[in-house]
Amino acid sequence: GAVVSQHPSWVICKSGTSVKIECRSLDFQATTMFWYRQFPKQSLMLMATSNEGSKATYEQGVEKDKFLINHASLTLSTLTVTSAHPEDSSFYICSARLAGFGGELFFGEGSRLTVL
Amino acid sequence: GDSVTQMEGPVTLSEEAFLTINCTYTATGYPSLFWYVQYPGEGLQLLLKATKADDKGSNKGFEATYRKETTSFHLEKGSVQVSDSAVYFCALNSNYQLIWGAGTKLIIKP
Repeated sequence: GAVVSQHPSWVICKSGTSVKIECRSLDFQATTMFWYRQFPKQSLMLMATSNEGSKATYEQGVEKDKFLINHASLTLSTLTVTSAHPEDSSFYICSARLAGFGGELFFGEGSRLTVL
Repeated sequence: GDSVTQMEGPVTLSEEAFLTINCTYTATGYPSLFWYVQYPGEGLQLLLKATKADDKGSNKGFEATYRKETTSFHLEKGSVQVSDSAVYFCALNSNYQLIWGAGTKLIIKP
């Protein structure tokens, strides 16, 4: 099946720094990618929908200035956590939608962010 | 709006036991239904899916049947293994986004 790769898988950073997470569709073009956040013992929370060549659509309650999303090409979307704080520590997952397949999504491996 | 309801966990079973994880949904139209699995420390993987009523998705010994009359998509496995310990998410496709259940943690004891 289609492959979505996230990088890095693990990242530890100091409070106040920014961290970029990449999401790539390796063998297909994804016009739409989604970013999720998973809190411990909770389900995934959709953060934003990323459309190639346009601004991301953020879910209610997600700070767009803190979580910068860029979808510059059909195979790459990036999530930048700006001025990270310990409460931003979480598991971030991206997914990409394969066009024409009834909405099936393919997920990246996830990126675990720890902010010290 | 559309929603998915899963049974709460954790579900703890002994190896070789029969597994059922309940999932019901509310949706307009005819969504596709999915089960995803997240093994410890890993990302999500699609386990199985069904795109229309009465379809049965199956993979790795797991099965789920799309029941329109009961709006359900229960996950079943006849004989679970320790390696099946994971968190299982039921989801439906609505307008090309997934609506998620809360997830059910499954613990299999040897």
